[in-house]
Amino acid sequence: QLQLQESGPGLVKPAETLSLICSVSGGSIGSRNYYWAWVRQPPGKGLEWIGSMFYGGGTYYNPSLKSRLTISADTSKTQFSLKLTSVTAADTAVYYCARQRSYFDSSGYDWFDPWGQGTLVTVSS
Amino acid sequence: QSVLTQAPSASATPGQRVTISCSGSSSNIGSNTVNWYQQLPGTAPKLLIYGNNQRPSGVPDRFSGSKSGTSASLAISGLQSEDEADYYCAAWDDRLDGPVFGGGTKLIV
Repeated sequence: QLQLQESGPGLVKPAETLSLICSVSGGSIGSRNYYWAWVRQPPGKGLEWIGSMFYGGGTYYNPSLKSRLTISADTSKTQFSLKLTSVTAADTAVYYCARQRSYFDSSGYDWFDPWGQGTLVTVSS
Repeated sequence: QSVLTQAPSASATPGQRVTISCSGSSSNIGSNTVNWYQQLPGTAPKLLIYGNNQRPSGVPDRFSGSKSGTSASLAISGLQSEDEADYYCAAWDDRLDGPVFGGGTKLIV
């Protein structure tokens, strides 16, 4: 059974870089049929897609975050990471990693399953 | 401001049927499939419906999804107290070139 687990600092100072790792067990991020994604949720608010990667392929990012964002994979194929630069208080959120299935068949199909448990990152001095 | 629009809350009594709606546009729901996620208090979202009306293994058939034009709905029949949660719709958006979510509907049972 595939499981994902986020890890990283819970507190980041403004203007610094937020770095998180997603550890995958029970499977590999090298699987050809899936993307690997980050989604965040500010306290008391809704969900926002951050960006996704395909192992050995490309990445695609939310345009609103693209200039500050890097998502990359570890060569062990059991981890992928998120780096978000120049953070502000608006980046305070619970950050989730998730496996993403995405394909086109007359319509676009795209969903996240499963999700990690999430990790709260607070941006504050 | 979420790309997909959902009512902030809904309420119903145990045993009843409730419908949660999600409204979008031609660039998302109008041309792509819709997914629904359930988020129980203090937990991560869980996939409830994908591809408009498909249930992942383990999701009870009390949950059903449908889509018409640029709107979608999640129906829950035989409501139970444990269904009290936030429900989010989502779909691929051709303009954003990525997935978008609704703002979520808090279901009170």
